[in-house]
Amino acid sequence: EVQLVESGGGLVQPGGSLRLSCEASGFTFSAYDMDWVRQAPGKGLEWVGRGTANRGSYITEYAASVKGRFIISRDDSKNSLSLQMNSLKTDDTAVYYCTRDYWGSYDHWGRGALVTVSS
Amino acid sequence: DVIMTQSPLSLPVTLGQPASISCRSSQSLEGRSGNNYLTWFQQRPGQSPRRLIYEAFKRDSGVPDRFSGSGSGTDFTLKISRVEAEDVAIYYCMQGSHWPPYTFGQGTKLEIK
Repeated sequence: EVQLVESGGGLVQPGGSLRLSCEASGFTFSAYDMDWVRQAPGKGLEWVGRGTANRGSYITEYAASVKGRFIISRDDSKNSLSLQMNSLKTDDTAVYYCTRDYWGSYDHWGRGALVTVSS
Repeated sequence: DVIMTQSPLSLPVTLGQPASISCRSSQSLEGRSGNNYLTWFQQRPGQSPRRLIYEAFKRDSGVPDRFSGSGSGTDFTLKISRVEAEDVAIYYCMQGSHWPPYTFGQGTKLEIK
């Protein structure tokens, strides 16, 4: 059974940093592109970024709203995806989901990690 | 980025009656293979999104057959043949044909009248 489990959420002050992790199990993690998607309270879904599978090299992509502040990394030996969030803003307050991409669709989602940016 | 537009944004439905949600994309989602990478998700209150339909019409395992997807190019539809109480949720469409990024519709909130 595919499982994605996020951790590391919490309360952080504006300008602060936080690191989210996603532990994957039940599939060959290294073969899949993995994304972060967030959802602000009462709002819709927003793509945050991607860590691609290693097809000769790892590639990361980011939404314009987080580029330069967020860093995605992955450790295939530990089946783990991370999201390092720096210079956090109140607009970054959201539930952050780890998702698995398969042929242009997210077939599995984690339960999410709540990040609250507030003074 | 491809813009996804859903309608309606609010959908009150009587139990046992059909429901239909439209999703339109600002660019065609049809690839060279003829596939349309359009996905429908259901998000029940307090839960993560759950995929219902992918590639416009393919139903995921375990999804009741009262859910169906159709469409191609820029116009897509999610239909529920007979709404049940457990269908109360927000429904999102998402395109995966043009990367980066994948983009979502605004969401349609289905409620029981």
